[in-house]
Amino acid sequence: GAVVSQHPSRVICKSGTSVKIECRSLDFQATTMFWYRQFPKKSLMLMATSNEGSKATYEQGVEKDKFLINHASLTLSTLTVTSAHPEDSSFYICSARDLTRSYEQYFGPGTRLTVT
Amino acid sequence: EDQVTQSPEALRLQEGESSSLNCSYTVSGLRGLFWYRQDPGKGPEFLFTLYSAGEEKEKERLKATLTKKESFLHITAPKPEDSATYLCAVTNRYGQNFVFGPGTRLSVLP
Repeated sequence: GAVVSQHPSRVICKSGTSVKIECRSLDFQATTMFWYRQFPKKSLMLMATSNEGSKATYEQGVEKDKFLINHASLTLSTLTVTSAHPEDSSFYICSARDLTRSYEQYFGPGTRLTVT
Repeated sequence: EDQVTQSPEALRLQEGESSSLNCSYTVSGLRGLFWYRQDPGKGPEFLFTLYSAGEEKEKERLKATLTKKESFLHITAPKPEDSATYLCAVTNRYGQNFVFGPGTRLSVLP
């Protein structure tokens, strides 16, 4: 149990375009979903927290207009990187948690974004 | 402010050489301490949750312990497939965001 999927696993896009990443909890309902960014050989950097049906809460320094997060249902959250630039290239990881069961976060496999 | 540090930053072991990884934390009322394993290019994989001092949990060659200030991940007779980055995280009494440590990169040589 507690499986989280992400799609796509890899994406290459041109500078100035937008790209959407999906995060799904497959066998549980996620009251909260999180989006992280990870640079090579660095730990996870929390970008935003989203609760189903509510606006996402962004961490300091994360541009909400650039990284659009939608948590439309208890099993789906999306991250859209708008007007992507090469500096947005990174490894993006989502996680999901069901607070009615426990405090653990379960992570997706990650999405490698490359902006050319 | 809740904080997590991990040591060592990197650890090289020979196969079969047991050791421990440390996670030290300061948090406003610990709700849970979590250990994850992360392989390169993948998302973290959940290992353990510890809730109170004195608690221990085991899984195969791994054993996690918790005190009021730190947690240890003991690795007994490691194998090369145990090579990964091990991440520690805490959540406070409000059960809000995780605070992750920087991780320990473990390499187990055959």
